[in-house]
Amino acid sequence: DAKTTQPPSMDCAEGRAANLPCNHSTISGNEYVYWYRQIHSQGPQYIIHGLKNNETNEMASLIITEDRKSSTLILPHATLRDTAVYYCIVRVSGGGADGLTFGKGTHLIIQP
Amino acid sequence: DTAVSQTPKYLVTQMGNDKSIKCEQNLGHDTMYWYKQDSKKFLKIMFSYNNKELIINETVPNRFSPKSPDKAHLNLHINSLELGDSAVYFCASSLLTSTDTQYFGPGTRLTVL
Repeated sequence: DAKTTQPPSMDCAEGRAANLPCNHSTISGNEYVYWYRQIHSQGPQYIIHGLKNNETNEMASLIITEDRKSSTLILPHATLRDTAVYYCIVRVSGGGADGLTFGKGTHLIIQP
Repeated sequence: DTAVSQTPKYLVTQMGNDKSIKCEQNLGHDTMYWYKQDSKKFLKIMFSYNNKELIINETVPNRFSPKSPDKAHLNLHINSLELGDSAVYFCASSLLTSTDTQYFGPGTRLTVL
């Protein structure tokens, strides 16, 4: 799986859009970008994933650059409950039952 | 309805004891996992099972023995507990065809005294 780089922490005001960047410059053509988050004292939660097109679901939007070397997770209207550690993971879809490789992630703090 | 459940939520025990953590999923998934999250918050895969068969064992001491009685359950038994085993253990499940979308349980915080 390609390596990812994320800022260790970010702040965002409640009600504003939170934009979380991820660099994955060594991504391969068949690797997807996945985002998970872990709210304090809970298990990780799947958010969204994409290959090269932008994706949106009820939780977030994922913007992947044209060269696929970086991406941004967007929480459109952040709430206090979005305070969590966000993990960007790159891997081949359905790449076997070898588990997810979590890095250090970005600790997003939503300020009231 | 809880998708992935673990029991107990907290487990405090003495060094040298043997303990088990249970995991159950009601999502109809065929693949289950155990992850360990240490005090520095790093989350690492320990085991994965597909249809009750061990797929991955990531350099985990043999004091840890997962048991899968059926596809919906993956229990973790730990023998001769050590201080370094203190951590939060997460169970997860997925479909083998979609192993990237995993559903995690709430975690079991194990404290070894």
